[in-house]
Amino acid sequence: AQSVSQHNHHVILSEAASLELGCNYSYGGTVNLFWYVQYPGQHLQLLLKYFSGDPLVKGIKGFEAEFIKSKFSFNLRKPSVQWSDTAEYFCAVNARGGGADGLTFGKGTHLIIQP
Amino acid sequence: DGGITQSPKYLFRKEGQNVTLSCEQNLNHDAMYWYRQDPGQGLRLIYYSQIVNDFQKGDIAEGYSVSREKKESFPLTVTSAQKNPTAFYLCASSMGGRFYNEQFFGPGTRLTVL
Repeated sequence: AQSVSQHNHHVILSEAASLELGCNYSYGGTVNLFWYVQYPGQHLQLLLKYFSGDPLVKGIKGFEAEFIKSKFSFNLRKPSVQWSDTAEYFCAVNARGGGADGLTFGKGTHLIIQP
Repeated sequence: DGGITQSPKYLFRKEGQNVTLSCEQNLNHDAMYWYRQDPGQGLRLIYYSQIVNDFQKGDIAEGYSVSREKKESFPLTVTSAQKNPTAFYLCASSMGGRFYNEQFFGPGTRLTVL
């Protein structure tokens, strides 16, 4: 069975600081990888995704993530955070086999950006 | 305006009562999903449906039931057998098919069992 581990449950940063949120997954086969974000009071929305190809993927709002297959990792990065990045961030995986299978999520990282 | 709607936003029920959460999508998606979100637990898959009249159990299906009689609708019933039903419930949909597609999420229903 798949599992996803997010290393930091709560992160507090100041504006303009750099961000890296860790995500590791356990699955021996090929996976699709995602980062979702849940802003306060809003829907869960997709930040970025990796299906294949370039392991460095760029998403919305200046976020990027790097897939390192040898480390089973898909860490999320942003060079300079803003107060509006305060949100809950979820890493998720889907084992490529069934196209409509559900996602396995990590427990989430609550990010607070202080002005 | 395409999207996923869940109703109601907040739901209160007495212990021992079954309750049905609504999920409707007008994205013409084949696949639909139900997740449960608890603080510090992330999202966990309850049930999913790849096509009308078919559905599969997810990781935490016990105490829940679903139906998929129409493409656009995937209601979730929380039965009295669910030991800890108070949670935030999220519905999602995707195009489905052989290759994976992005899942789109609804606004959620917060269920509180008193």
